[in-house]
Amino acid sequence: GAVVSQHPSWVICKSGTSVKIECRSLDFQATTMFWYRQFPKQSLMLMATSNEGSKATYEQGVEKDKFLINHASLTLSTLTVTSAHPEDSSFYICSARAGFYGYTFGSGTRLTVV
Amino acid sequence: DAKTTQPNSMESNEEEPVHLPCNHSTISGTDYIHWYRQLPSQGPEYVIHGLTSNVNNRMASLAIAEDRKSSTLILHRATLRDAAVYYCTLPRSGNTGKLIFGQGTTLQVKP
Repeated sequence: GAVVSQHPSWVICKSGTSVKIECRSLDFQATTMFWYRQFPKQSLMLMATSNEGSKATYEQGVEKDKFLINHASLTLSTLTVTSAHPEDSSFYICSARAGFYGYTFGSGTRLTVV
Repeated sequence: DAKTTQPNSMESNEEEPVHLPCNHSTISGTDYIHWYRQLPSQGPEYVIHGLTSNVNNRMASLAIAEDRKSSTLILHRATLRDAAVYYCTLPRSGNTGKLIFGQGTTLQVKP
């Protein structure tokens, strides 16, 4: 089956620093990837759509200058949380469409900003 | 966006069947219905998806109403490992490929 690998699984950073999260499709090519954020005991909220070779599109209310997305190849999308603050602490999850299997998701990244 | 409505929580006994309902009355004719489940601190896991006909795979069955305004995910014999949050999801309208999640159903399985 299609696999999406997401790293790191967890990260702790100081307030004001930037953090990069990687999402790789291991056995298929993904021209489009999706980034979600999930707060405790809540559902997944779509943040942005990452498009290979072009700019990402962001959902309403998501700051594109804070959440930088780069989709440099058909197998890699990155999300950089810039100048992170405690309110950015959350569980970030990437996803890609994988043919018949619908969408496949990464294992998520737990970001804690202290 | 087509909206999904699910019960917040359900309980089941181990080894018994579980029927998880989902209402999606505003679904469009070409929208597939997707079901995912999520364990704590993990990404969602694909369960099943379908368009009109009932669907079966090794994990579950999906029963879709004839008018497609509701569906039911069926776990034939619940195990403790099936305890998770189950999401019935639909793609955003306009063929964007974006999958939109509702609140999901937290399934508890009792031994």
